[in-house]
Amino acid sequence: TQLLEQSPQFLSIQEGENLTVYCNSSSVFSSLQWYRQEPGEGPVLLVTVVTGGEVKKLKRLTFQFGDARKDSSLHITAAQPGDTGLYLCAGRNTGNQFYFGTGTSLTVIP
Amino acid sequence: DTEVTQTPKHLVMGMTNKKSLKCEQHMGHRAMYWYKQKAKKPPELMFVYSYEKLSINESVPSRFSPECPNSSLLNLHLHALQPEDSALYLCASSQGGGYGYTFGSGTRLTVV
Repeated sequence: TQLLEQSPQFLSIQEGENLTVYCNSSSVFSSLQWYRQEPGEGPVLLVTVVTGGEVKKLKRLTFQFGDARKDSSLHITAAQPGDTGLYLCAGRNTGNQFYFGTGTSLTVIP
Repeated sequence: DTEVTQTPKHLVMGMTNKKSLKCEQHMGHRAMYWYKQKAKKPPELMFVYSYEKLSINESVPSRFSPECPNSSLLNLHLHALQPEDSALYLCASSQGGGYGYTFGSGTRLTVV
């Protein structure tokens, strides 16, 4: 199992603030995905990044894959209460399996 | 249909009971997965089925028994569970390769 460490583990911010979540590993991944999970629901895929250095934007969310494909970040601009949830990165290994990161629990306070 | 459907949504069972969790998808996905998730923790992979054959068993105790009757269905048979097995059980499917997973809403299992 490849270890994917996410930081911070917990984050509580006011509505309108910006935040960044990090996903780090010592392993190289062929691709990496970000999911958001709301309480009582399954994770929902937000984005897949494949190329080292790649940046993808999804409205107020910006995802970046590190040049060496060992790390990734998720930046949220002007957070809203609807962004509250558990954010999970998942890296794909050479066996074509995805392993989840340790998770970041985000609470956006109105 | 772009959903993975899991039933039941909630299940309470005694340690001597036998029950089954069900998962269904009609997206033509060739890979299906069972995950176990504790509160505020990431999902932990249990089993992977590829083309209806079990390809990965992540050292899961034998009291959990998966079954894939056809390409659209995945079951998880439960027997003699322990209270520490209480968790959210998630099913997912994927086209395989680098494609992302589609998750169901999960079954909230409580073992008493």
